[in-house]
Amino acid sequence: GESVGLHLPTLSVQEGDNSIINCAYSNSASDYFIWYKQESGKGPQFIIDIRSNMDKRQGQRVTVLLNKTVKHLSLQIAATQPGDSAVYFCAEVRDQGGKLIFGQGTELSVKP
Amino acid sequence: NAGVMQNPRHLVRRRGQEARLRCSPMKGHSHVYWYRQLPEEGLKFMVYLQKENIIDESGMPKERFSAEFPKEGPSILRIQQVVRGDSAAYFCASTMARASSGNTIYFGEGSWLTVV
Repeated sequence: GESVGLHLPTLSVQEGDNSIINCAYSNSASDYFIWYKQESGKGPQFIIDIRSNMDKRQGQRVTVLLNKTVKHLSLQIAATQPGDSAVYFCAEVRDQGGKLIFGQGTELSVKP
Repeated sequence: NAGVMQNPRHLVRRRGQEARLRCSPMKGHSHVYWYRQLPEEGLKFMVYLQKENIIDESGMPKERFSAEFPKEGPSILRIQQVVRGDSAAYFCASTMARASSGNTIYFGEGSWLTVV
């Protein structure tokens, strides 16, 4: 079935380095994508979103890139900090249903 | 500016009992989603509701699970005759309009159900 999946289940980076978290999706009809951060015992926290008519969007220390040709989404975190340690999920929204479909998640660990 | 409020945060039920999870969306939001998350897994869509209407319940188990979002009051996810496999975190999310239009979807902190 169609799904949103992540390339790596875990990612370990040194504090201060940049992090790149990847996501592949299979439904070309998806028109809106969101990245969430989830800390242990908490709910998903919105980070950044992007619509399918864009290929890049920047926030504070985060950038999302969308490549519709290969159905790939990535989240870049600049100058990664210990507080960035969490599980990161990408999610897609399909126009018909309006519901979010989540990927499995990537656990980011930041080494001091 | 309260966010999405869920209660109880933690709930313990014996097998066969009923669990009721409540979700109050953000102010001004009339669309509510429920998701289930098993340990070490992602969030699985269960149901999408608008005030007094179920829009999409394709992720709801066929039996024992029901959801409502009345005109007044919170959205309720009800699990009857709970079994150990129902133990999970249940998250509610809300948005102002259909997510497909680009309206941000905000999540609550979840309700952790443990069935003993």
